[in-house]
Amino acid sequence: DGGITQSPKYLFRKEGQNVTLSCEQNLNHDAMYWYRQDPGQGLRLIYYSQIVNDFQKGDIAEGYSVSREKKESFPLTVTSAQKNPTAFYLCASSTKGANSPLHFGNGTRLTVT
Amino acid sequence: GEDVEQSLFLSVREGDSSVINCTYTDSSSTYLYWYKQEPGAGLQLLTYIFSNMDMKQDQRLTVLLNKKDKHLSLRIADTQTGDSAIYFCADTLSGYSTLTFGKGTMLLVSP
Repeated sequence: DGGITQSPKYLFRKEGQNVTLSCEQNLNHDAMYWYRQDPGQGLRLIYYSQIVNDFQKGDIAEGYSVSREKKESFPLTVTSAQKNPTAFYLCASSTKGANSPLHFGNGTRLTVT
Repeated sequence: GEDVEQSLFLSVREGDSSVINCTYTDSSSTYLYWYKQEPGAGLQLLTYIFSNMDMKQDQRLTVLLNKKDKHLSLRIADTQTGDSAIYFCADTLSGYSTLTFGKGTMLLVSP
C-alpha cells in the first residue's frame, strides 16, 4: 500500500540534544512538508520541499533543519536552538502543482525534558 | 497573510446532523479542504471543494461554500460516535502550493 511513514511514533530527548524525525513516502509525490501541531494552535508549517535538493522555510523554521536528498525522504532535525520543541510533528506529501491535497503520515510525538 | 477561523468545539447526539463552520479571509482561495484527525493520528482528507462551486455532496458529507461571505461549512448527516474527531478546514491560494489550516473543531458525539 502507498503511504507516508513517520518514525518513531514517540520520541524522548533531553534538552540540548538534536533529534531527527524520519519521514518516508512511496506515493511518488514531488512535494513534502513538515508541520508542527500544538494543542489549540492548529497546524503550523515548518519547512517544505517541492523538488529534490531544494526546500523552503515555512512560518516557524527557526530551530529546525531539513534535507531532501531523495524524493522519498524528508527528514526533520529539531536542534537545540528550538526553544519549545515538545510537540506533535506531522509530515505530509502532495503531487506537484498548486492546489494538490496533502496526504499525511501518522505523526511523531516528541517530548523534550 | 491568509487567516482561517473555526469554532473550537461542537457537541451533538448520535443520529443528529453536525455542522462545522469555517471562515477565511483571502478571496483568491482556489480550493478549500476538510480534514479529519482522530486522536494520536495524522490528518485524513475528507473532501474538498473548488472555489467556483457552491455545494458538494459525498455520501453523508455536504460541503457548502459562500464565496461572498468567505464561509465554508461541513455538514455530517446521521452523525455517529466514530465521527468524534478534530475537523480542520484549510485553503490554498491561487499560485501557492501550501495550505493554511484553521485551528480545528473538536466534534464530540454522544450516544
